[in-house]
Amino acid sequence: SYELTQPLSVSVALGQTARITCGGNNNGIKNVHWYQQKPGQAPVLLIYRDSNRPSGIPERFSGSNSGNTATLTISRAQGGDEADYYCQVWDSSTAVFGGGTKLTVL
Amino acid sequence: EVQLVQSGTEVKKPGESLKISCKGSGYRFTSYWIGWVRQMPGKGLEWMGIIYPGDSDTRYSPSFQGQVTVSADKSISTAYLQWSSLKASDTAMYYCARPVGDGTLDGFEIWGQGAMVIVSP
Repeated sequence: SYELTQPLSVSVALGQTARITCGGNNNGIKNVHWYQQKPGQAPVLLIYRDSNRPSGIPERFSGSNSGNTATLTISRAQGGDEADYYCQVWDSSTAVFGGGTKLTVL
Repeated sequence: EVQLVQSGTEVKKPGESLKISCKGSGYRFTSYWIGWVRQMPGKGLEWMGIIYPGDSDTRYSPSFQGQVTVSADKSISTAYLQWSSLKASDTAMYYCARPVGDGTLDGFEIWGQGAMVIVSP
């Protein structure tokens, strides 16, 4: 079955840029979606289809995809960005989530 | 306003059956897939299955196939997730979610508030 690999944790200094990666299998990864989940809350879609932001999502959040790795970039990190982040793809009509990355803002 | 509203917390015993619901409003219910996602305590997101209420086309994760049933009643814009015999390991938060685009399997833009299911003797 398809698997997505994310780092367990990422740390970023306040105001700096955080990058969270999502690795696919050897066939490449495409149309990656990214979610943010804060404790006790439902996930929020940040990026869909690699690089599209839903309305209401700040421009500080951006996505990119090159070959086998997709990246979520959070610019000017704020304390409120501390959360778990998940990537997700569709593989043969089944959804697959990455294991999640905990972002800490120092 | 587009929203998904889920049924409330359930406390059940092992072996009991359960059906939780997710009511959509503010959009054409029959035109969008609705998926279900499990989150066990302290763990990540797991996709369970999805249904297209327009024609009841249903897909399941291999991990959940045969363990749960996903259904929908388009007359009342409601999707369901049900178990015939709960286990303690079914204790989790369950979310319903709707993709961005109509008719497409896409990123999940709209999420329900979650329904906590607790299975304990």
